[in-house]
Formats: sequence, C-alpha cells, structure tokens
Amino acid sequence: AQKITQTQPGMFVQEKEAVTLDCTYDTSDPSYGLFWYKQPSSGEMIFLIYQGSYDQQNATEGRYSLNFQKARKSANLVISASQLGDSAMYFCAMREVSTDSWGKFQFGAGTQVVVTP
Amino acid sequence: NAGVTQTPKFQVLKTGQSMTLQCAQDMNHNSMYWYRQDPGMGLRLIYYSASEGTTDKGEVPNGYNVSRLNKREFSLRLESAAPSQTSVYFCASTRGGGALNTEAFFGQGTRLTVV
Repeated sequence: AQKITQTQPGMFVQEKEAVTLDCTYDTSDPSYGLFWYKQPSSGEMIFLIYQGSYDQQNATEGRYSLNFQKARKSANLVISASQLGDSAMYFCAMREVSTDSWGKFQFGAGTQVVVTP
Repeated sequence: NAGVTQTPKFQVLKTGQSMTLQCAQDMNHNSMYWYRQDPGMGLRLIYYSASEGTTDKGEVPNGYNVSRLNKREFSLRLESAAPSQTSVYFCASTRGGGALNTEAFFGQGTRLTVV
C-alpha cells in the first residue's frame, strides 16, 4: 500500500509567490519522521526540511516551512517567495522505526514545480 | 568530504548482461539503501542494510542482489539485466539507529539503460 501520497504531479507558480505542495502519509506508528527533498534537473537529491511526529511546532528552514497536521496525516511543504531556482521535483518521504518498515525511507511520487518569471 | 559516491554515473547494458553498481560513503553511517527512480513512481526501495552485516529486501528486490562489503560500501548487482531495469539508481546512507531526525544522504545517481 502506498504510504506517501503526493496528489499534484505538476505545478506552475509565479516568481515571488508562495506555493504549497501537498503530502499525506499513512502509518500506525506513533513515532515517525517526515522529510522533504528537492531534485533539480541535474538529478541530485537535496534535503530541505524535517518534521518529527512528536514535534509541537511546524518546522521551518529559511523559505521552507512544513505545515504539519498530525490528525489529518498531512505534511505539506510551503515555499515562500518562489525563485526561478526553485524549479525542481519535490519529494515527500517518511521514516518509521517501530514497525517492520524500521529505518526505511519511503517516498512519494513527487511534484514537479516550475517557477515562471 | 565526498559524502556518498556512486559509480558508474552512466551505463548501457545489453539484455542478459550483468553488472555491479558500487556505492561508498565516508560519513561513518550505519544504514545504506538502494533506490530506483522511475517517472511518476518516485523512489522505490530495492534493498537496504540497516547495519554492517545485515541486508533486507525493499519494495522491488526482484532481479537484484546486494552486498554490504563493510561499513562504507554497499553494492547492487544485476545478474541478468532486463529492459524493465532501465532506471536511475540512487544509493543513500543515514546514521541509522533509532534516531528519526537523520536525513538520508544520496549519491549522484546512476543512469542505467538496458537495451
């Protein structure tokens, strides 16, 4: 069963605008971590932001913030003030430790973001 | 600091040929992973190694074998390549253990084409 769902295959956003990338997850584990990665056209995977299941506050890293809604099992990435360099594929991922998925990173299908001038 | 190094970066194989993808990390990480990336499917786990001396199957292990040679190195072998194995392969590592807040570090990827 798909554990990470990213329902937006692609998005266009204008420069300087904010964009929200959706991510929902499925787990019965009370302890898990949620990650977002960026993959530019060059292909490398760049870690952006982390949210732990027990964290009380939403994670923020510069222009990236994570809108964590635990009850809804949602971990949306918000990119503020988009820049042309934000054009990339974005992946949501989850890591569990107390189930048979121990330690594995599981990824969603990704959302392709194109920032336009 | 090299991080995670994968070789080769590109490879073309004929159906039925074999090859080994090499991966090494210099961060003293315990856990290592092999993923394949296909359009519209994200990254799917092939095999992983939670710690030196252990390996386990992921989501799509058929047609692959792995070896955790030591703490640094984790190789992926295709014994008899098939066109369905055309993909981009990523090796990753993480500190592992019970800590959740340890991101995975990725290699640059290997673009494999099987003809």
